[in-house]
Amino acid sequence: GQQLNQSPQSMFIQEGEDVSMNCTSSSIFNTWLWYKQDPGEGPVLLIALYKAGELTSNGRLTAQFGITRKDSFLNISASIPSDVGIYFCAGPTVYQGGSEKLVFGKGMKLTVNP
Amino acid sequence: EAQVTQNPRYLITVTGKKLTVTCSQNMNHEYMSWYRQDPGLGLRQIYYSMNVEVTDKGDVPEGYKVSRKEKRNFPLILESPSPNQTSLYFCASSLTGINEKLFFGSGTQLSVL
Repeated sequence: GQQLNQSPQSMFIQEGEDVSMNCTSSSIFNTWLWYKQDPGEGPVLLIALYKAGELTSNGRLTAQFGITRKDSFLNISASIPSDVGIYFCAGPTVYQGGSEKLVFGKGMKLTVNP
Repeated sequence: EAQVTQNPRYLITVTGKKLTVTCSQNMNHEYMSWYRQDPGLGLRQIYYSMNVEVTDKGDVPEGYKVSRKEKRNFPLILESPSPNQTSLYFCASSLTGINEKLFFGSGTQLSVL
């Protein structure tokens, strides 16, 4: 099945630094999603991208839908301690026969040192 | 408050003892899904349901069953749990499908001894 390759797998940064992460696929996606999982909780949607080339911001977060439709990027500016968690990219796929699946990357674990 | 509720939050059991993890949503969502999260593997879909009485396999359905008799409930059943099913499980729902925002429950940490 389709896979999403997410990198880096983890990052340790100082408070105030910027963070960049990306997700790539060998297949085209029509939607890219970025979720964040706080420790001990379920993932929460941060940003959804629906159009190739689209650049979307949500506060200190900025995400881009790659023009090839095979990649996406998420940037966090001026990190704060509450940015700690695991960040997942995800993309919906529809297989032959109509079955729908949401494919997730393996996640990027972010640690922010105060 | 709009939410997805899973129970229990933590469960320790023994091999072969049937168990059910419940999931309920109060948002009148049609789409519901179960995922398992394992270190280094991310989130993998077990089963999903597009609507009442409509369920389909995800990527890792072996050893699991689901049912969708009512719109709000989507229980995950392990008929004969094995140690390789030790994992963190999440239920999720969305209004109509995977192209919309998924709301996740807080998770169920299952240990099978």
